[in-house]
Parts: sequence; structure tokens; C-alpha cells
Amino acid sequence: GAVVSQHPSRVICKSGTSVKIECRSLDFQATTMFWYRQFPKQSLMLMATSNEGSKATYEQGVEKDKFLINHASLTLSTLTVTSAHPEDSSFYICSARGGGGYNEQFFGPGTRLTVL
Amino acid sequence: AQSVTQPDIHITVSEGASLELRCNYSYGATPYLFWYVQSPGQGLQLLLKYFSGDTLVQGIKGFEAEFKRSQSSFNLRKPSVHWSDAAEYFCAVGKPASGNTPLVFGKGTRLSVIA
Repeated sequence: GAVVSQHPSRVICKSGTSVKIECRSLDFQATTMFWYRQFPKQSLMLMATSNEGSKATYEQGVEKDKFLINHASLTLSTLTVTSAHPEDSSFYICSARGGGGYNEQFFGPGTRLTVL
Repeated sequence: AQSVTQPDIHITVSEGASLELRCNYSYGATPYLFWYVQSPGQGLQLLLKYFSGDTLVQGIKGFEAEFKRSQSSFNLRKPSVHWSDAAEYFCAVGKPASGNTPLVFGKGTRLSVIA
């Protein structure tokens, strides 16, 4: 199956700093990428959908100025958590889908963000 | 809009016993259906999927699921549970010809396995 990587797998940062998380599709071109957030013992919450070369579409309640998403190429999307605060600590998972008809979403392994 | 219900938040099963995790979906047509497993601190692993055809789907790790259109269900089963199956299980529904539409997930069922 298709492979999606995320980097870093874990990050610890100080409050007020910004953190960038990368999501790469390694063996296919991802026309659409999705970013999810998962709180402990809860399901995945969709944050935003991004298409290569265009602005991301954010779900209701997700601050687009705080969670900057860039999908600059068909294999890379980035999520930047700006001015991070402890409440932003969470598990972030990206997912990628290829183009042409229905294609599965392939999930990255996730990034654990801890804000001190 | 599609939705997924996993009625059981937590299930405990003895090792070697059979398992059934329930999943009901709401969608106007036949959706694409998925089961994922997540171990603590890990990402999602696809167990199996249903797109069309045979309604009994075989997956990895000895899991299977059956699509029942009349009941809008896609329950996951395993005949004999192993201790390593303890994890969180998510059912998800996708829209055919989905384009930008993401998968919709259920809230998950946590499986505990006891000796």
C-alpha cells in the first residue's frame, strides 16, 4: 500500500514557540491531504483539508491563523502550530489521498506534540 | 452527510474468545467502509475495507467484517482474540467518488483482552 510519513514523530516545545509538522506521501502523488487532531482516548477530529496549490479548508472551530497548513507540492503538506500553548498538546495525524476517482486515504504515523 | 456509530465504548474479552465490534453507518447510498486499529501512541493501521462485491470481507490479523445493507452495519469479527489485539478500533465511512470528502470516523471502541 501507499506510504505516508510524518516528521517529527514527537516534539516538545516551549509555550509561545511555533512548531512545523511535515507530512509526505512517499510513493504516490497526493492531490488532497487531511489533517486530524486526536485527544487522548478520543476519535480523530478533522482539522482541515488541503489541495495541492490552493488554500486549506478548515473545519468549524479550527483557527486557521493558529494552525497554518501549506500543501505546496503533490508530496508534501505542512502543519505549523503558531504560538503554541499547552492546550495545543495533542496527537496530530495527517492523511493523503491520490487523485482520479475514489482513492483511499492513507494515514501517517502521527506526531505527538507536547507544549510546556 | 454520512455518520458512523460505534455503540460500544469499551469491550473486554478473554483471550481465545470470539469478538464482534459493532459499527452502524448513515449514508444515502452504499458507502465505502473501513476498519482501522490504533495501538497506544501509534497511528492508524487499516484492517480491512469494503468497496463493493462480496459482503464478507477478509482483513489482516485474522479479522473479517460483514456489510449488511439492510441493517446499515459493518461489524468487525475475529474468531479467537489474542492479547496483542488489545487496542482502539475505529470504523470509518467514505463517500464513493469522494474527491475532497474525508473519511468520517466513529468514536472508537477500546478492546481489552484478559487472560
